[in-house]
Amino acid sequence: AQSVAQPEDQVNVAEGNPLTVKCTYSVSGNPYLFWYVQYPNRGLQFLLKYITGDNLVKGSYGFEAEFNKSQTSFHLKKPSALVSDSALYFCAVRGSSGTYKYIFGTGTRLKVLA
Amino acid sequence: EAGVAQSPRYKIIEKRQSVAFWCNPISGHATLYWYQQILGQGPKLLIQFQNNGVVDDSQLPKDRFSAERLKGVDSTLKIQPAKLEDSAVYLCASTESFTGYNEQFFGPGTRLTVL
Repeated sequence: AQSVAQPEDQVNVAEGNPLTVKCTYSVSGNPYLFWYVQYPNRGLQFLLKYITGDNLVKGSYGFEAEFNKSQTSFHLKKPSALVSDSALYFCAVRGSSGTYKYIFGTGTRLKVLA
Repeated sequence: EAGVAQSPRYKIIEKRQSVAFWCNPISGHATLYWYQQILGQGPKLLIQFQNNGVVDDSQLPKDRFSAERLKGVDSTLKIQPAKLEDSAVYLCASTESFTGYNEQFFGPGTRLTVL
């Protein structure tokens, strides 16, 4: 069965410092991996995805994520955090067969401190 | 292009009452999803449509929840009767296709409070 784990409920980082939000996954076959961000009272917004190819994928707002097959991880990163990055971040995995269902993690709240 | 539209944005009802939510996906998107997001949790898929057919409704509590997408465009999700534990944000999302690698586009959600 597919699953996604986000081990940290909250990540605090100082503005200007690099940030990492962790995600590990379990899926049979090739994973399709996604990161979404949710601001208060808003729906989820797509940040980036890994389908195939380069392990480092770049997305919106300066975010990037590194796919590591051996560690089954897809951590979200940004070299220099902004206060405006403070939000709820969700990792999701989609199966490559069957119903192609998306499974979301429980979310990590990122707090960037000025 | 216009995004995914949902209404209402907020709804407060008493337990045992019924409620309906509406979603209009991005034009041309064949696949539509309804999710339930309970506070502090990630979105949980309730039902997935491909055009007007149901692909997955394995996590839909069918004794009280129902959903339809009759013409393969907009969709309604109904709860009847509502329970306290149904208090959540109901998110609608759409993608261009069923099997592709496309990301989902989400609406703003409907926040349901059951008293």
